[in-house]
Amino acid sequence: LAKTTQPISMDSYEGQEVNITCSHNNIATNDYITWYQQFPSQGPRFIIQGYKTKVTNEVASLFIPADRKSSTLSLPRVSLSDTAVYYCLVGTRYSSASKIIFGSGTRLSIRP
Amino acid sequence: GAGVSQSPSNKVTEKGKDVELRCDPISGHTALYWYRQRLGQGLEFLIYFQGNSAPDKSGLPSDRFSAERTGESVSTLTIQRTQQEDSAVYLCASRDPGSYNEQFFGPGTRLTVL
Repeated sequence: LAKTTQPISMDSYEGQEVNITCSHNNIATNDYITWYQQFPSQGPRFIIQGYKTKVTNEVASLFIPADRKSSTLSLPRVSLSDTAVYYCLVGTRYSSASKIIFGSGTRLSIRP
Repeated sequence: GAGVSQSPSNKVTEKGKDVELRCDPISGHTALYWYRQRLGQGLEFLIYFQGNSAPDKSGLPSDRFSAERTGESVSTLTIQRTQQEDSAVYLCASRDPGSYNEQFFGPGTRLTVL
């Protein structure tokens, strides 16, 4: 199944737009791309999911180019409360569970 | 409705003791996952239940780890003869069968083995 690669960490400042890119070169035709957010001492929380082009919700936007080999999570006007670890996953509802690997994620730090 | 719940929230035990961790998934979610997360690290898949199918146990690190699930409800993760390296947060997640990887996580159980 598709392996994902993301930066280990990123820093930004309040009010800025933050873009976190995830590479998934071996994504399969039926795979969806899902992003999770994890705050300290909490379980991960679903943020957004998409298959192609662009998806937007109240929290973030997800940009997926035509070849789907990467995706970018965009957080508009971040605040200190967006400091968290962000995980990118690919797979289908039928994906073997053991292959849905969260990995180490991207640790985002927002400064005042 | 209620989310995924886990108990206990914290567990401190002595090396060599057995522990049992409990997960109550969201009602109607047929898929249930257990993960382990060591301090500062990502999630490590342990086991997956999907309806009445045989569980996927491929992530269990040793035969000291086992898990059960009663139908499509409660699951228990048991660690026998605990070791210090078992210290971690154990997270449970459930998923609606119709969703694509949208897992709902519980708050976790923090296990400390002294």
